[in-house]
Amino acid sequence: DSGVTQTPKHLITATGQRVTLRCSPRSGDLSVYWYQQSLDQGLQFLIHYYNGEERAKGNILERFSAQQFPDLHSELNLSSLELGDSALYFCASSVTGTSSYNEQFFGPGTRLTVL
Amino acid sequence: GQNIDQPTEMTATEGAIVQINCTYQTSGFNGLFWYQQHAGEAPTFLSYNVLDGLEEKGRFSSFLSRSKGYSYLLLKELQMKDSASYLCAEVTGANNLFFGTGTRLTVIP
Repeated sequence: DSGVTQTPKHLITATGQRVTLRCSPRSGDLSVYWYQQSLDQGLQFLIHYYNGEERAKGNILERFSAQQFPDLHSELNLSSLELGDSALYFCASSVTGTSSYNEQFFGPGTRLTVL
Repeated sequence: GQNIDQPTEMTATEGAIVQINCTYQTSGFNGLFWYQQHAGEAPTFLSYNVLDGLEEKGRFSSFLSRSKGYSYLLLKELQMKDSASYLCAEVTGANNLFFGTGTRLTVIP
């Protein structure tokens, strides 16, 4: 158990819908990262928040957005869902995210299925 | 940095040694991580290299050559439970991790 929690574990929805994925980082970690992993694909970095502020963006679609709240939990919002958005979405956290030694601890993931 | 390249699949025998290679672009290099990921599960940290040389941790070792943009993960005394994907990840200039597509290792009896 990494100490990172994600809810829900599974999510099934229809095309065009909007969903929110939630992540609680490890106690004391200030950075939260979101990744998308499609079938047989690597982890695609989406976005990084540090202490409530967006720090870096990766391959995140405009239909997707995220935020980190004062209690440091984060939410990833996916809208106008398409079939291709079906994937495992992982959240990870790290202590700072401001040094090159940036060991990230991953949550169990949310499996999103868009029908 | 980035443009990480790893073999897609490897097979090895229980009790043997296997080496999983990873190459990356050397510009802007800030460090390299190896993670293990069992199917459908979260990746877990294995090793971190930022200086040239070999880091040993039990049955797992990781090597880095910064001048060659090359790393490998060495797994010794393979066990069936080592069947998993092994992800090489480079630390980018923004201190984020850029992952390769991973190497799926199958350990056979």
